[in-house]
Amino acid sequence: DSGVTQTPKHLITATGQRVTLRCSPRSGDLSVYWYQQSLDQGLQFLIHYYNGEERAKGNILERFSAQQFPDLHSELNLSSLELGDSALYFCASSLRGNNEQFFGPGTRLTVL
Amino acid sequence: GENVEQHPSTLSVQEGDSAVIKCTYSDSASNYFPWYKQELGKGPQLIIDIRSNVGEKKDQRIAVTLNKTAKHFSLHITETQPEDSAVYFCAASIRLGGGTSYGKLTFGQGTILTVHP
Repeated sequence: DSGVTQTPKHLITATGQRVTLRCSPRSGDLSVYWYQQSLDQGLQFLIHYYNGEERAKGNILERFSAQQFPDLHSELNLSSLELGDSALYFCASSLRGNNEQFFGPGTRLTVL
Repeated sequence: GENVEQHPSTLSVQEGDSAVIKCTYSDSASNYFPWYKQELGKGPQLIIDIRSNVGEKKDQRIAVTLNKTAKHFSLHITETQPEDSAVYFCAASIRLGGGTSYGKLTFGQGTILTVHP
């Protein structure tokens, strides 16, 4: 157990819908990263937040957005969902000034 | 941007044998190289990492080597056991400005390791 929690574990929804994925980092970690894992693209970095501020963006679609709240938990919002958005979504956290990233168990999103 | 290539894509060994997985990276600015193990239905688990100022690091049966000149790094698992069977990912990271975080990980494509009893 990495100490990173993600909810929900599974999410099934329809095309065009909007969902919110939630991540709670390890106690004391200030950084949260979001990654998408799919069979064709592998593990891809989406976005990084540090202590509430966006620090870096990767291959994140405009339909996707994220935020980190004052209690340091983070949410990833996916809207206008398409079949191709079906994937595993992981968040990871790390300490300030440290670079080991610890991953949560992931949320499996299925878009029908 | 950074590109990480990982080989082989699948690796099958007998219990007790050694396993080696190799990765190459493209950006010479990369300075942090972790390895993750992912079991079915779980998130990636950090198993070992190495920084660019170190050539080799060991942790029990696992070791990682880094050749900065050639821009490649490798994972070595000795005395493999069936519970080592999983997907292994290498990754590379570039330090961001400000010193507060190393930022995003760029992952290799993964290696499916199977250890036969």
